[in-house]
Amino acid sequence: EAGVAQSPRYKIIEKRQSVAFWCNPISGHATLYWYQQILGQGPKLLIQFQNNGVVDDSQLPKDRFSAERLKGVDSTLKIQPAKLEDSAVYLCASSSQNRDGTAYEQYFGPGTRLTVT
Amino acid sequence: AQSVTQPDIHITVSEGASLELRCNYSYGATPYLFWYVQSPGQGLQLLLKYFSGDTLVQGIKGFEAEFKRSQSSFNLRKPSVHWSDAAEYFCAVVGTGRRALTFGSGTRLQVQP
Repeated sequence: EAGVAQSPRYKIIEKRQSVAFWCNPISGHATLYWYQQILGQGPKLLIQFQNNGVVDDSQLPKDRFSAERLKGVDSTLKIQPAKLEDSAVYLCASSSQNRDGTAYEQYFGPGTRLTVT
Repeated sequence: AQSVTQPDIHITVSEGASLELRCNYSYGATPYLFWYVQSPGQGLQLLLKYFSGDTLVQGIKGFEAEFKRSQSSFNLRKPSVHWSDAAEYFCAVVGTGRRALTFGSGTRLQVQP
């Protein structure tokens, strides 16, 4: 079974530029998450999708961050314009929609390391 | 709101020694608890999970964790550490009805030869 795919793996941009990250979840996983992991901290949820609908985006800085999940499969996270404090690893995860505890098991991609200069 | 505390930022152990990483959570009911490991440049890999039942759970790579409701703890243990265990370890919690994980700040494990 293929895991969660993310691209690019690394990105360096200047502040005020825009950037986009792509995620392809595990096949059949209905729930997709984007997390931000700042150096030295644990991941923090940015947005959660159930199929192609947003379940939780309460911690997404909506003035500069946006995300979409078209057709309930792939997802794109965008930052525009980027700030220095956006330097972090952006992790995508997915989970199934089983009606048991396994629905809470999240599988993570390798992440995209963003450096804003 | 749920939260997770990992009191040890950095731990160093000798290869072959035993290991215990601490995790305390705050949640009104019984949560679902997880331990993840993150090697440099890698994503997060699930080590083990607790949903219900036996409070001592076994995971991959020889790790185990014990859920203690009275102490709101879910400590990770390994009887004999290998050099390849050097990584960052994250404890996480999710409440029923909500899927997103709340992570602790992590414990970096260094293994001395």
